[in-house]
Amino acid sequence: DAKTTQPNSMESNEEEPVHLPCNHSTISGTDYIHWYRQLPSQGPEYVIHGLTSNVNNRMASLAIAEDRKSSTLILHRATLRDAAVYYCILIRGSGDKLTFGTGTRLAVRP
Amino acid sequence: DTGVSQNPRHKITKRGQNVTFRCDPISEHNRLYWYRQTLGQGPEFLTYFQNEAQLEKSRLLSDRFSAERPKGSFSTLEIQRTEQGDSAMYLCASSFSGDYYNEQFFGPGTRLTVL
Repeated sequence: DAKTTQPNSMESNEEEPVHLPCNHSTISGTDYIHWYRQLPSQGPEYVIHGLTSNVNNRMASLAIAEDRKSSTLILHRATLRDAAVYYCILIRGSGDKLTFGTGTRLAVRP
Repeated sequence: DTGVSQNPRHKITKRGQNVTFRCDPISEHNRLYWYRQTLGQGPEFLTYFQNEAQLEKSRLLSDRFSAERPKGSFSTLEIQRTEQGDSAMYLCASSFSGDYYNEQFFGPGTRLTVL
């Protein structure tokens, strides 16, 4: 499986945008980029995914580099509830299992 | 609530005992996954089912671990002769194979402590 690299931790102020980076230099053409997050004491939850084009949904935006070797998850206005561990995961095609790394722990300051 | 449910939420056992966990997936989901998560780490894949067929097992799944999904609905994960290293959060997830992007929905997990 292609590997992803994320910073261990990041901090943000409440109501400010947050950009969470992910490097995936060995990504293959059929790998989708998925983001999940895990709130404290909960199971992970899906955030967003993309292949080549930038994507937006109600939770976040995903910006994908033109060469697809990196991507950035964008939370437009961080809230305290967004404090979580964010995982960037590559999934091939329709995929099956998720291969989690250690993710980025996001702290949100009030 | 139509989400993924897991029981029990917490289990404390003594080394050498057997434990069994249950997962009830979202009703229309035909895929079911088990993951294990230790402190400070991301979840690690253990095994997954499509309907009642167990399609993949991780090398992490030693012969002390067995999972079943007898009627393609709920699943059980049994650990025999538990060891202290089995202490972890055991997470279950489900998805629908007709969903091309295979979004997985996770339950709250079962926290196992082996004394």
